[in-house]
Amino acid sequence: GNSVTQMEGPVTLSEEAFLTINCTYTATGYPSLFWYVQYPGEGLQLLLKATKADDKGSNKGFEATYRKETTSFHLEKGSVQVSDSAVYFCALRAQKGYSTLTFGKGTMLLVSP
Amino acid sequence: DADVTQTPRNRITKTGKRIMLECSQTKGHDRMYWYRQDPGLGLRLIYYSFDVKDINKGEISDGYSVSRQAQAKFSLSLESAIPNQTALYFCATSGGNTGELFFGEGSRLTVL
Repeated sequence: GNSVTQMEGPVTLSEEAFLTINCTYTATGYPSLFWYVQYPGEGLQLLLKATKADDKGSNKGFEATYRKETTSFHLEKGSVQVSDSAVYFCALRAQKGYSTLTFGKGTMLLVSP
Repeated sequence: DADVTQTPRNRITKTGKRIMLECSQTKGHDRMYWYRQDPGLGLRLIYYSFDVKDINKGEISDGYSVSRQAQAKFSLSLESAIPNQTALYFCATSGGNTGELFFGEGSRLTVL
């Protein structure tokens, strides 16, 4: 079946450090890939997405590249801020149309001043 | 007002009680979902509905039921709550072909 594996957290960084959160997936066919972010006390919101191999999604300084050869979609940011402290979820949609999202377990990021 | 509204936001109840969590949306989306979030387990799909007349079980539907009263309303019921149903519950919607889900702010349920 479909699955998403993320690195365990928490990831603890100082402000302006480089961030990588690893995400790998298992799926048949050509899934779409997503990163969602959950700020404290809130619901999840879409951060970025990629729908085909080699696509790069980007938003708010975050980037992730859809790597089909390594079945990965790692999240990166060059310089994190305290306001980036949140839980980050990698997710996949196995096929277009009416299908559901499968989420990873989430990775908590804590950024200190 | 939020596009996806969940009520109640917080609820404490006792084992054996029936609980209903409600979700309404103003986005005009046809698809609605209920997820459960537990620490270390991420989000797990309970039930989903692609249309008013369509109801589907997710990966952890045992102990839960749903009702799609209208395109904009999707409620989740726990017929007889048990302590391991203590969790944060999220309703979400989607529309079109982007795959993007829009989440409510969550309903925190504690079963004593």
